[in-house]
Amino acid sequence: GQQVMQIPQYQHVQEGEDFTTYCNSSTTLSNIQWYKQRPGGHPVFLIQLVKSGEVKKQKRLTFQFGEAKKNSSLHITATQTTDVGTYFCAGQVEGGSQGNLIFGKGTKLSVKP
Amino acid sequence: DSGVTQTPKHLITATGQRVTLRCSPRSGDLSVYWYQQSLDQGLQFLIQYYNGEERAKGNILERFSAQQFPDLHSELNLSSLELGDSALYFCASSDRTFSNEQFFGPGTRLTVL
Repeated sequence: GQQVMQIPQYQHVQEGEDFTTYCNSSTTLSNIQWYKQRPGGHPVFLIQLVKSGEVKKQKRLTFQFGEAKKNSSLHITATQTTDVGTYFCAGQVEGGSQGNLIFGKGTKLSVKP
Repeated sequence: DSGVTQTPKHLITATGQRVTLRCSPRSGDLSVYWYQQSLDQGLQFLIQYYNGEERAKGNILERFSAQQFPDLHSELNLSSLELGDSALYFCASSDRTFSNEQFFGPGTRLTVL
């Protein structure tokens, strides 16, 4: 079946270090979304990427969508303790059922002060 | 606060029982999505409704069913509960048929003993 693989599963960093999580789909995606879930909270939408090769920035966060629209990454520069949480990518398959987002299993980020 | 409400917050029940989880979407949102989040499976898309009609189906078991009412609130019914059904159940809403930004509710934690 259609899958979205996300690595790494866990990442422990020292405050101030950079962090990257990667997402790979087995099929071409029409778009990819990123969500953040704080411990004990619910997923919160961060961004959506639609175009091949698209790069978007939100302050210290940089999101990329691959040229083939099968992979994506989220990079955080100079992590802070407020970045702690699980980051999920969620892909919508091209030509697939509308609304059917396939979530990666997430990368759990912990930041040591 | 996403504007999506879910009740109850916690539910503890026994195997074989049936429960109903309720979701009220953000004001004006026509699409409602249900997700199951367990520790080892990440976020699994269950089903989507748009303006009262089923739009997309994910990994939803036959023992589970959902509906969206004329006032746009939605209910997820889980029957013949098994231990493995213990999980966090999230509802999300969006303002379009297509999956753009989804706003997640706080979730219902179901424990099956």
